[in-house]
Amino acid sequence: QLVLTQSPSASASLGASVKLTCTLSSGHSSYAIAWHQQQPEKGPRYLMKLNSDGSHSKGDGIPDRFSGSSSGAERYLTISSLQSEDEADYYCQTWGSGILVFGGGTRLTVL
Amino acid sequence: QLQLQESGPGLVKPSETLSLTCTVSGGSITSSSYYWGWIRQPPGKGLEWIGNIYYSGSTYYNPSLKSRVTISVDTSKNQFSLKLTSVTAADTAVYYCARPVEFLQWLLVDPWGQGTLVTVSS
Repeated sequence: QLVLTQSPSASASLGASVKLTCTLSSGHSSYAIAWHQQQPEKGPRYLMKLNSDGSHSKGDGIPDRFSGSSSGAERYLTISSLQSEDEADYYCQTWGSGILVFGGGTRLTVL
Repeated sequence: QLQLQESGPGLVKPSETLSLTCTVSGGSITSSSYYWGWIRQPPGKGLEWIGNIYYSGSTYYNPSLKSRVTISVDTSKNQFSLKLTSVTAADTAVYYCARPVEFLQWLLVDPWGQGTLVTVSS
């Protein structure tokens, strides 16, 4: 069964960097994913698609501070030079066996 | 730039049918490689996929909702719609329309509509 696992919460200081993780379930380590950001009281916004080789393509207007990388079954979203507006929920998403799957989301707090 | 806008009643009574429409602007709903989908988010919870449709009419539904869901497309109006029958309070959520895009063998969502809150209550 295709499952995406994310830590429920993360925190980092203003101006620092943070790396969020999305883990693909066993047997699905070659899957591409998308990262989405949901700021408080707003709808989700597409950030990027991320392939198993670490290649990624960001959506329109997404700052260079956002980047993606991969290692095995793990997909990462790195945000550098954290700003207050980066405080949000981050979701990973993929597709398999006719089902669109979301991770449970990581709530990022900027200290 | 493609934009998606949900519309429909914000309040539905228990046991009735929830109906929403998504209007697509800035692009054609008949474009290849694009699906059209619905995703919901109960208050304070995560995202739940409801289903997708291709402009030709082929559909994919979340197995947990499949018996109650119908997604349809109206190419003449550049719209697609969601019907969810026999609703209960558990169906109270913000409903988003979205466009899953083909990337190799996967469908990845981009972009999202702004969402509409639907409350199920008598």
